[in-house]
Order: sequence, then structure tokens, then C-alpha cells
Amino acid sequence: DQQVKQNSPSLSVQEGRISILNCDYTNSMFDYFLWYKKYPAEGPTFLISISSIKDKNEDGRFTVFLNKSAKHLSLHIVPSQPGDSAVYFCAARRGYGGSQGNLIFGKGTKLSVKP
Amino acid sequence: NAGVTQTPKFRVLKTGQSMTLLCAQDMNHEYMYWYRQDPGMGLRLIHYSVGEGTTAKGEVPDGYNVSRLKKQNFLLGLESAAPSQTSVYFCASKFRQATTGELFFGEGSRLTVL
Repeated sequence: DQQVKQNSPSLSVQEGRISILNCDYTNSMFDYFLWYKKYPAEGPTFLISISSIKDKNEDGRFTVFLNKSAKHLSLHIVPSQPGDSAVYFCAARRGYGGSQGNLIFGKGTKLSVKP
Repeated sequence: NAGVTQTPKFRVLKTGQSMTLLCAQDMNHEYMYWYRQDPGMGLRLIHYSVGEGTTAKGEVPDGYNVSRLKKQNFLLGLESAAPSQTSVYFCASKFRQATTGELFFGEGSRLTVL
């Protein structure tokens, strides 16, 4: 049973426009949510995170929004650039230590930003 | 700093052969992980370790064994490889005290089992 769901396998956006990547989750015990970015033939790299006690976190062009009542988070990229073309993974954890701290990943969304 | 280094980067095996993937990190992280990535499946946790000498099963542990004899190294073994183990394997590590739980990943090891 998938606890972290990314229902859009792919997304195509024009350069300069906004990219919105969505993620849904089922476990209300998740306390932190993270977004990772992955280029082909490279390992995933951390992008941005948000605590479950917040509803927004911003870092430059990247903003993550959390709607706990809907169990939904989204990553906004504004403005989108061709270098943002990558696979984006949403991840969540249930707590701090041991197995609770293990990240559970969604299946990823492939973002293509066209010049 | 090298961060997280995986060897080998590529390997082709025949069914039934054995091999070991090595992960080394130079960040003094306590926790280490092995994930596999398959098309349309995201990243799935195979095994993890919360410290030297300790290991635990993740989501998809069958067919794999691991060892953490030194804090900086985490080995993933396949005793008898099967075509279903064709995948890209990622090692990751993190500080035990990491507030957000951020993982640092290696570049991946692509394994093909014929």
C-alpha cells in the first residue's frame, strides 16, 4: 500500500512559467516531508523540506506547500528553467530515530522544462 | 569531500552468480541505507544500518544481505543473483541527529542480471 503517492508520472512546462509537482500521503504520523531531485545517471539530491507543523517553506525559486487536512503537498518552481528538468521525488518520514526515521519515497514525477 | 561513493558503477552478472556492492562515506554519518530504483517504482529501501555492527531489513530485503563492519562502509551482497534484481542501486547516509532526515546519496550502481 503506497503511503506516498505522486500521481503524475510526467509534467511538461514552458521555460519561465510555474511548475507545480504534487504529492499525496496517507499516514497522518509523518512529521517531515522532503523533495529530492534526480538527474539521469546521478544520485538523488536534496532540494527542500517542510515540517508537518508548517504550511509553507521557501528557498529561492522553490516553495513547498503542505495541506495537512488534505494530506497533500506540492512543490512550486518559479520561474522554471531548462536545468530544472529532472525527476522529482517526494519523501516522508514518521519520526526521528530507528526505522521511524526511514524515508518513504513516492514514485517520482519527471519534469521537462522546454526552452 | 567525496561524500558517498559506490563501487562498482556498472556490473553484469549471470543468474546464480554472487557479488558485493560497496558503499563508502566520509561524512562520519551514523545511518546508512541501500535503496533500489526500478522504472515506475521509485526508491525502495532494501536494508539499513543505524550504526557500526547493526543492520535491519527494509521494504524489499529478500535476496540481499548486508554488513556494516566499519562505520564508513556499508556492503550489499547478492548471494545468488536473479533477473529480478536487475536495477539501479543507491546507497545513502545521514547524521543520526539530522533534523529533517535528509539523506545524502551516492551516484548509483547499475546491475544487470542475465
